[in-house]
Amino acid sequence: AQSVTQPDARVTVSEGASLQLRCKYSYSATPYLFWYVQYPRQGLQLLLKYYSGDPVVQGVNSFEAEFSKSNSSFHLQKASVHWSDSAVYFCALRLSGSFNKLTFGAGTRLAVCP
Amino acid sequence: ETAVFQTPNYHVTQVGNEVSFNCKQTLGHDTMYWYKQDSKKLLKIMFSYNNKQLIVNETVPRRFSPQSSDKAHLNLRIKSVEPEDSAVYLCASSSLGGSAETLYFGSGTRLTVL
Repeated sequence: AQSVTQPDARVTVSEGASLQLRCKYSYSATPYLFWYVQYPRQGLQLLLKYYSGDPVVQGVNSFEAEFSKSNSSFHLQKASVHWSDSAVYFCALRLSGSFNKLTFGAGTRLAVCP
Repeated sequence: ETAVFQTPNYHVTQVGNEVSFNCKQTLGHDTMYWYKQDSKKLLKIMFSYNNKQLIVNETVPRRFSPQSSDKAHLNLRIKSVEPEDSAVYLCASSSLGGSAETLYFGSGTRLTVL
């Protein structure tokens, strides 16, 4: 069965620093991959998604992610974080033909310190 | 405003009571979902409806039942709540077509079972 692993439950960075949130997936083929963000007391919002083509995808708020088939990874990156980026970030995958049924990772809580 | 709306935001009840949560989307989507998010932020899909038809029904206790009157509404009823039902219930919607459709989430209903 497919799975998504986010190995870091919590990440703390200083404002202005660069960021990488890690995501590894387990699936024999290439799935559709997503990063969502959840701000306090809100639902999830899509940051970016990948399903084919250029392995580096651009998202909202200057986030980007790089797909690596050899490493089964889809890491999220940002060159310079802002305090407002503090939130929980979820990596997710969807299999082809699975009626948009997303499998989510456990999430990474990001804290940006001033 | 086009979005996914959930009511109530919070609900506190006692073991054995029946509760019902409402979800409405004004995005014109044909598919709606219920996800459960536990206290550790883990997200699991419960149900998915496409044009009022159930298409995904994960293994959830029988006391949970989705109700869809039209493709813009998907409610969730819990017949006799138990302590482990305490969680945030997130409603989402999307279009079913396409290869990597975005899910749009509501802000959730937080259920506390005493």
